[in-house]
Amino acid sequence: DIQLTQSPSFLSASVGDRVTITCRASQGISSYLAWYQQKPGKAPKLLIYVASTLQSGVPSRFSGSGSGTEFTLTISSLQPEDFATYYCQQLNEYPRTFGQGTKVEIK
Amino acid sequence: QVQLVQSGSELKKPGASVKVSCKASGYTLTTYAMNWVRQAPGQGLEWMGWINTNTGNPTYAQGFTGRFVFSLDTSVSTAFLQINSLKAEDTAVYYCARTYCGADCYAFDFWGQGTMITVSS
Repeated sequence: DIQLTQSPSFLSASVGDRVTITCRASQGISSYLAWYQQKPGKAPKLLIYVASTLQSGVPSRFSGSGSGTEFTLTISSLQPEDFATYYCQQLNEYPRTFGQGTKVEIK
Repeated sequence: QVQLVQSGSELKKPGASVKVSCKASGYTLTTYAMNWVRQAPGQGLEWMGWINTNTGNPTYAQGFTGRFVFSLDTSVSTAFLQINSLKAEDTAVYYCARTYCGADCYAFDFWGQGTMITVSS
């Protein structure tokens, strides 16, 4: 199975900060990586797919990059509503594994 | 608009069974595969497997074989997850999620709201 390792697991940041989360795959997954945002008590929400394509309706301050084994999710200017947990997921092969999550909290 | 609406929370005793429903609206159920994802309390997301909504053929991830059953009722646009012989460690929120595919499959683009299953004596 492909393992996804996110770093950091926890991040403390302020409104307006630029935030970057990394997702590393244990083997190459081309660009078949998605990013999700999950708020407490809510279902995950798709942000980005195929590594860098913004899902419709997602603010442009979110961006994704990478291919192969290393990927990043960047929030250019953190907003109050962005405090949440973020997960990466690979869809290159089965099983469809998720990273362990990165919790973004208010500093 | 696309919606996946799941059945409500359940409290079950060990050894019992539970069946979670996921009703799709705003699109035709059979045009997108359906996945099931588990989230234990305070933990991350775990993919349980998926069901081919055209053929009804399920595929289960390792760790979800035997007691877990995916099924469909296309006449009411609904996918189901049944868990048999419940154990305390099955306590979790269970999500259904649609796979968005084009030439390949890219993401889980719509999710149900989640169903909390609590297993306790």
